[in-house]
Amino acid sequence: AQKVTQAQTEISVVEKEDVTLDCVYETRDTTYYLFWYKQPPSGELVFLIRRNSFDEQNEISGRYSWNFQKSTSSFNFTITASQVVDSAVYFCALSEASANNLFFGTGTRLTVIP
Amino acid sequence: DVKVTQSSRYLVKRTGEKVFLECVQDMDHENMFWYRQDPGLGLRLIYFSYDVKMKEKGDIPEGYSVSREKKERFSLILESASTNQTSMYLCASSLLGVNTEAFFGQGTRLTVV
Repeated sequence: AQKVTQAQTEISVVEKEDVTLDCVYETRDTTYYLFWYKQPPSGELVFLIRRNSFDEQNEISGRYSWNFQKSTSSFNFTITASQVVDSAVYFCALSEASANNLFFGTGTRLTVIP
Repeated sequence: DVKVTQSSRYLVKRTGEKVFLECVQDMDHENMFWYRQDPGLGLRLIYFSYDVKMKEKGDIPEGYSVSREKKERFSLILESASTNQTSMYLCASSLLGVNTEAFFGQGTRLTVV
């Protein structure tokens, strides 16, 4: 069964618009970690954020914010006032305490149009 | 800065060749991973290792093997390359534990002709 679902394959927005990238996960573990990574055109994945299953507090970092809701098994990522440099593929990932592993979603390609 | 270095950015090999993809990390990480990335499929785990000489199969190990003789180096081996192994290969490393972020190399785009 797929553990991480990113239903949005591609999104295009105009610069300065807000955009939300969805991530839905599936796990039987009570202890797990969720991650977001950014893959710019250069190809190297860059870590953005980590959240553990016991901390549902939302987080904001500059123009980025994350909304973690265990009730809906979602960990959504919002970019406020998008910029061209935000254009990339964004991956959501899940790590379960029972497995020393890291499951990735299929990614969402975000294009910010100037 | 954590550095994960993959030996080649681009590689072209012939069907049936034995192919080695090398990955080196310089942060003394216990975990190392090999993923392949294909359009529409995201990153799929091939193998990972949590210690020297230790290896665990991921989701798609068929057709691949790995070697970890030293802590800093993790090699992916295609015993007999096939065209369906044409893909982007990503190496990553992390500290031991499921709560640590992984650091990725720049990727190797392998084409098998």
